[in-house]
Amino acid sequence: EVQLVESGGGLVQPGGSLRLSCAASRFTFSRYAMTWVRQAPGKGLEWVSTITDNNGSTYYADSVKGRFTISRDNSKNTLYLQMNSLRADDTAVYYCAKDRLSVPEGAYDIWGQGTIVTVSS
Amino acid sequence: QSALTQPASMSASPGQSITISCTGTSSDVDGYNYVSWYQHHPGKAPRLMIYDLINRPSGVSNRFSGSKSGNTASLTISGLQAEDEADYYCSSYTSSNTQVFGGGTKLTVL
Repeated sequence: EVQLVESGGGLVQPGGSLRLSCAASRFTFSRYAMTWVRQAPGKGLEWVSTITDNNGSTYYADSVKGRFTISRDNSKNTLYLQMNSLRADDTAVYYCAKDRLSVPEGAYDIWGQGTIVTVSS
Repeated sequence: QSALTQPASMSASPGQSITISCTGTSSDVDGYNYVSWYQHHPGKAPRLMIYDLINRPSGVSNRFSGSKSGNTASLTISGLQAEDEADYYCSSYTSSNTQVFGGGTKLTVL
């Protein structure tokens, strides 16, 4: 079964850092763009960042630009999200999602179950 | 980038049809056909229901259909079933090479 499994979430103080990982299995990871989407408590889905397949072009929401970095290791079938200068409003469930294509069309056909990030003192 | 506008909640009875709207701007919905719809049951992973405005992924019931008129995209669910009760989100590609989601619509099947 095609699968994405996130890890790395947890409790962090404001201003701190966290790195999320997303392990992919049973599909050719390197062929597809990958994306992070988050959902704050009681709120809707929010697109965070996308990285294309091999050339690694990256795109960010204004709310995280300059603080978050998306990356991928195609040899390990793993997607990452490095989150720095975390704020309380970054508290959310973070999902990784597979794009249908190699470029960011915005149709995410496979999703992980999410990892919870809580930013609080 | 402002979120796309969706009704916060809608309700209908089993067997009825319902249409959820998603309003954007010329920089997103009106400018591209890269509109997707997701079904999200709380505590579970979101599920892609419609992509590229009108296309259904394999395994999605043909009771779900998508359309667009100007800056408003729509998701229509016909023959409502209890299992359709969920949150629904639209999303669109934007002129800034980013994505934007709608605020979400909570669908209740009475």
